[in-house]
Amino acid sequence: DAGVIQSPRHEVTEMGQEVTLRCKPISGHDYLFWYRQTMMRGLELLIYFNNNVPIDDSGMPEDRFSAKMPNASFSTLKIQPSEPRDSAVYFCASSPEGGYTEAFFGQGTRLTVV
Amino acid sequence: RKEVEQDPGPFNVPEGATVAFNCTYSNSASQSFFWYRQDCRKEPKLLMSVYSSGNEDGRFTAQLNRASQYISLLIRDSKLSDSATYLCVVNVLTGGFKTIFGAGTRLFVKA
Repeated sequence: DAGVIQSPRHEVTEMGQEVTLRCKPISGHDYLFWYRQTMMRGLELLIYFNNNVPIDDSGMPEDRFSAKMPNASFSTLKIQPSEPRDSAVYFCASSPEGGYTEAFFGQGTRLTVV
Repeated sequence: RKEVEQDPGPFNVPEGATVAFNCTYSNSASQSFFWYRQDCRKEPKLLMSVYSSGNEDGRFTAQLNRASQYISLLIRDSKLSDSATYLCVVNVLTGGFKTIFGAGTRLFVKA
């Protein structure tokens, strides 16, 4: 298995633009997580899905952020409109059994909003 | 108070040293615990799970103290390749669950 695949690896965009981050989880994993990592706040869980259904989105910072999982092999995290404070590394992770097992992380998307 | 707290370090140790990290958590409903390792500009990767009975994997030993609500990681005979950030992870049952990462402890092993 290729692991969790994220795209793009790097994204530079102007403030106010829409940004879409993509993730393909490991096949057979029922849980998918979106994290954001910054120097100031560390690694924060934004939202997670179980069997394509959003379970907890309490970490989503505000309405500008939205996440979808239309099927078991694809998820998106969208920021509209983007702001400079959204600059961070965004990780997607998947796991077979949620909080009781290892989460496998993708390589992340480094987002810079200028 | 943060839900999961770690000493940010950095810890600077010579090769061959033994180093220990602690992590405290505040929610008594915490159910599962892990240590992850993150190299610079890379994704976090699981180092080891932490069990109530303690567990060992080569030079690494993890322990859980539920009464005092902390977990620890001991690294013996440090190698240069152990230099990384070590993240403490706690899962809290909340109907579903909530995964909380500590801010990480940076370790530098010097020759």
